[in-house]
Amino acid sequence: DQQVKQNSPSLSVQEGRISILNCDYTNSMFDYFLWYKKYPAEGPTFLISISSIKDKNEDGRFTVFLNKSAKHLSLHIVPSQPGDSAVYFCAADGSSNTGKLIFGQGTTLQVKP
Amino acid sequence: KAGVTQTPRYLIKTRGQQVTLSCSPISGHRSVSWYQQTPGQGLQFLFEYFSETQRNKGNFPGRFSGRQFSNSRSEMNVSTLELGDSALYLCASSFPAGSTGTGELFFGEGSRLTVL
Repeated sequence: DQQVKQNSPSLSVQEGRISILNCDYTNSMFDYFLWYKKYPAEGPTFLISISSIKDKNEDGRFTVFLNKSAKHLSLHIVPSQPGDSAVYFCAADGSSNTGKLIFGQGTTLQVKP
Repeated sequence: KAGVTQTPRYLIKTRGQQVTLSCSPISGHRSVSWYQQTPGQGLQFLFEYFSETQRNKGNFPGRFSGRQFSNSRSEMNVSTLELGDSALYLCASSFPAGSTGTGELFFGEGSRLTVL
């Protein structure tokens, strides 16, 4: 049973435009959500997070939105840059920071110059 | 500050063999988690150790085991390897629960295991 789902395996956008990556979850007990970025041959790196008590968190070009009623979160990248091309993983933390995250399958973002 | 270090980076084994992977966390981090990444499955949680104790375990068979040493370094072992165990195994370290409040994990580059 996939508790965190990223239904779009890939996304392609033009440089300078907005990239929107989506993530759905099923467990309402999740209290923290994170986005990770992964380049080939490297480990995932933390991008941005949001607590379940908030509906928006912004960090530079990256904004994460959380809609608890819909059990949906999204990552907005504005403006998109070619260096943003990577695999993006959505993750949920439901175990009070014990190192157990539930990851989605990932979305491959390609930003075209 | 050195990041999470995993060894070996690449290895090839045959079915039935066993393998041991090593992870050195970021200095000061006491929690180490292990994840398996396969195409189409994303990252799946294997287990997490804190102060040499396993605190969480994912839905993997008993062939997958791990341990943590007093210096926080961790090893994971897979016995009786199967073809389906071919994957990228990622180790992540973090601060103890509550010290950051973010659940942020710091990942190593992974160990790529191929089972023939």
